[in-house]
Amino acid sequence: AQSVAQPEDQVNVAEGNPLTVKCTYSVSGNPYLFWYVQYPNRGLQFLLKYITGDNLVKGSYGFEAEFNKSQTSFHLKKPSALVSDSALYFCAVRDIAGGSYIPTFGRGTSLIVHP
Amino acid sequence: DTAVSQTPKYLVTQMENDKSIKCEQNLGHDTMYWYKQDSKKFLKIMFSYNNKELIINETVPNRFSPKSPDKAHLNLHINSLELGDSAVYFCASSSVSGRVLPYEQYFGPGTRLTVT
Repeated sequence: AQSVAQPEDQVNVAEGNPLTVKCTYSVSGNPYLFWYVQYPNRGLQFLLKYITGDNLVKGSYGFEAEFNKSQTSFHLKKPSALVSDSALYFCAVRDIAGGSYIPTFGRGTSLIVHP
Repeated sequence: DTAVSQTPKYLVTQMENDKSIKCEQNLGHDTMYWYKQDSKKFLKIMFSYNNKELIINETVPNRFSPKSPDKAHLNLHINSLELGDSAVYFCASSSVSGRVLPYEQYFGPGTRLTVT
């Protein structure tokens, strides 16, 4: 079975400060991990993914995420937040050994960047 | 160029009506999905379909049915609409087979369904 948790419903950060949006996962085997962003009244947009290789993954709009196998985490980070980063962020996981290609999504974290 | 498109963007209808939402992808992907996003923004997978199999979330009422005329289209048909069906419905696509492993999903803009 695969599951993912986003422990924070909302994250508030001041513009220019670093931001972190947390994600932890549970899988039987090895994970494929994804981050998506949803702006108001829009569909989800792919940000970045971890499949294999380097634990630090860089994605769109200056975002990055670090895969930590021992802590089963895949936190999304950005060194300097912008007001335009304010959106809903979803983490998703797919268990490579699970036999299903359908990912499981977290409940989403609302990021609010204050000017 | 729109990768995943849905029509209509807004759909307002009365209870017990039957309606369809259309989805098309021009990415050459082999798999398409339908998700329901409720008022709390939680995403629920409803169906996934590729040319080999249809996977149905068992919690989805059988009033909902996907119809795929070809690999680029996956339409959602809803019979006898209920108030609780009001939500935003997203179509998505991805590639799940082959030598390249992108696996990420590409989402349409959503269809906001309001049942009165």
